[in-house]
Amino acid sequence: GNSVTQMEGPVTLSEEAFLTINCTYTATGYPSLFWYVQYPGEGLQLLLKATKADDKGSNKGFEATYRKETTSFHLEKGSVQVSDSAVYFCALKAGSARQLTFGSGTQLTVLP
Amino acid sequence: EAGVAQSPRYKIIEKRQSVAFWCNPISGHATLYWYQQILGQGPKLLIQFQNNGVVDDSQLPKDRFSAERLKGVDSTLKIQPAKLEDSAVYLCASSLDTIAGYEQYFGPGTRLTVT
Repeated sequence: GNSVTQMEGPVTLSEEAFLTINCTYTATGYPSLFWYVQYPGEGLQLLLKATKADDKGSNKGFEATYRKETTSFHLEKGSVQVSDSAVYFCALKAGSARQLTFGSGTQLTVLP
Repeated sequence: EAGVAQSPRYKIIEKRQSVAFWCNPISGHATLYWYQQILGQGPKLLIQFQNNGVVDDSQLPKDRFSAERLKGVDSTLKIQPAKLEDSAVYLCASSLDTIAGYEQYFGPGTRLTVT
């Protein structure tokens, strides 16, 4: 079956630090990959996505590259801000599956 | 454009009681999803509607959970009777269609505590 494994949190960084949140997946076929973000008290929002191997998704300074050879989709940001504090979820949608399969989420706290 | 609306935002009930959640998707969105998010885990799909028909309810515990989407717009999710392990955030999401390229938009969720 399909599954997503995320780096366990919580992650605490100082402002302007470099961020990496690891995500690896198992899927049948060729999945589309997503990162969602959940700010406190709000619903999940799509942060970025990639639909085929070697694609790079990017948004708000965050990037993730679809690596088929390592089945990974790691999230990176060069310089985090306090406002980036949130829970980040990696997810996939594989083949004819209609549903998203989520990882367990990674809590990020950025300190000023 | 208004987002996905859910109510109530918080609910506390005792085990064996019943509870209902309401969701109003984004106008024009044909597909509606209910997810269960247990603390420390990612959301898990419970049921998916396309207009007013059920597309996937394979992970819905049908002995106690039910959902409907009358008229293909609003939806309600009911739990009867509730168990302690039902404590979770229930998320509603909608999308234009089920095609993979369409983004799912999530509501703020309803946090259920069963005591």
